[in-house]
Amino acid sequence: DAGVTQSPTHLIKTRGQHVTLRCSPISGHKSVSWYQQVLGQGPQFIFQYYEKEERGRGNFPDRFSARQFPNYSSELNVNALLLGDSALYLCASRGGANTEAFFGQGTRLTVV
Amino acid sequence: AQKVTQAQTEISVVEKEDVTLDCVYETRDTTYYLFWYKQPPSGELVFLIRRNSFDEQNEISGRYSWNFQKSTSSFNFTITASQVVDSAVYFCALSGMEAHGGATNKLIFGTGTLLAVQP
Repeated sequence: DAGVTQSPTHLIKTRGQHVTLRCSPISGHKSVSWYQQVLGQGPQFIFQYYEKEERGRGNFPDRFSARQFPNYSSELNVNALLLGDSALYLCASRGGANTEAFFGQGTRLTVV
Repeated sequence: AQKVTQAQTEISVVEKEDVTLDCVYETRDTTYYLFWYKQPPSGELVFLIRRNSFDEQNEISGRYSWNFQKSTSSFNFTITASQVVDSAVYFCALSGMEAHGGATNKLIFGTGTLLAVQP
């Protein structure tokens, strides 16, 4: 089975632009979470979606939004990009409440 | 508030040495989960272990072992006879516990420890 897949792997955007990052969970996993990892730091929780509903949100501005589709894939959208949004964005999926979170390899976003 | 502290930013050892990565956590929850993840240069976080707050038994898995002590709020990770392939950033993380016993989806990560194993 394929693991969590994220696209694109790398992305360069200009300040003020908008970006969409995509995540496909492991087959059968209904829960998807997004994390931001700034260089030299640990990942920070952004969102969690389960069955297409937002179940949790971290301390991020409204410029960050996400959604989950009927096939459980997910998109993370960031508007009005700032230089400080440059980071590795990680997606994780879970198969159930008492199971582990499996992470994708992330999308490395650079804002110039 | 929940917090995870990994005071060791970088550790360098020579192959076959034992190494311990420290993790100290803070939480007001009486029930919680603790985790260790490995992040190789590829970026993917690889799950190593999950431990719930009810179970203070130490765990050993091959060359890896974990020491959970609630009295000191620590969950340390030891690699015995380190190998070059162990070189990575290691993260300790904390999550709450759902009413039904599973971990919540919000993981609180420490800042990580970069382990470099020299041949």
